[in-house]
Amino acid sequence: DQQVKQNSPSLSVQEGRISILNCDYTNSMFDYFLWYKKYPAEGPTFLISISSIKDKNEDGRFTVFLNKSAKHLSLHIVPSQPGDSAVYFCAASADNYGQNFVFGPGTRLSVLP
Amino acid sequence: DAGVTQSPTHLIKTRGQQVTLRCSPKSGHDTVSWYQQALGQGPQFIFQYYEEEERQRGNFPDRFSGHQFPNYSSELNVNALLLGDSALYLCASSRTGNGSPLHFGNGTRLTVT
Repeated sequence: DQQVKQNSPSLSVQEGRISILNCDYTNSMFDYFLWYKKYPAEGPTFLISISSIKDKNEDGRFTVFLNKSAKHLSLHIVPSQPGDSAVYFCAASADNYGQNFVFGPGTRLSVLP
Repeated sequence: DAGVTQSPTHLIKTRGQQVTLRCSPKSGHDTVSWYQQALGQGPQFIFQYYEEEERQRGNFPDRFSGHQFPNYSSELNVNALLLGDSALYLCASSRTGNGSPLHFGNGTRLTVT
């Protein structure tokens, strides 16, 4: 029973264009969401977070949107760069400590020069 | 400022053996979580340690146990290894409290033959 879904296993985008990575969740108790990026042979690196009291959070080229009614969030990367090529994980938490995270299966983003 | 460090980086064990993985958290962090990442999947929560006690546990059998030391470092022990335990084991540290993102190490790749 996957509580966090990333239905696109892979995505290819041209350099300079927008990358949109999607994530859906089923547990309405989730109230804190993170996006991580992972390169081969490295651990996941924190990118950006959003709590359920917001519907948007921006950090430089990265913006996360949260639609609570649809149980959907998305990560926008603008403009996309070849160095953004990695696997992106969406993660969600429902516990009081905000640290027991449920991860999605990941989306592999390829940014083509 | 050293991030999360894990040892060893790779390990090969035989079915039925026992293994111990080690983790030093990022400076200033007091909470350590362990995750298992199977090939092609997102990380799965094993357990979390805070103040030298297991605070939360995911859906993993008792063969998986852990420990946290007074200096906040942590060990993950797996007994009676099964082939299905082959995975990347990720340690993540954070400051306790809601809304603190996880910082991951590069992981230990465990292969059980």
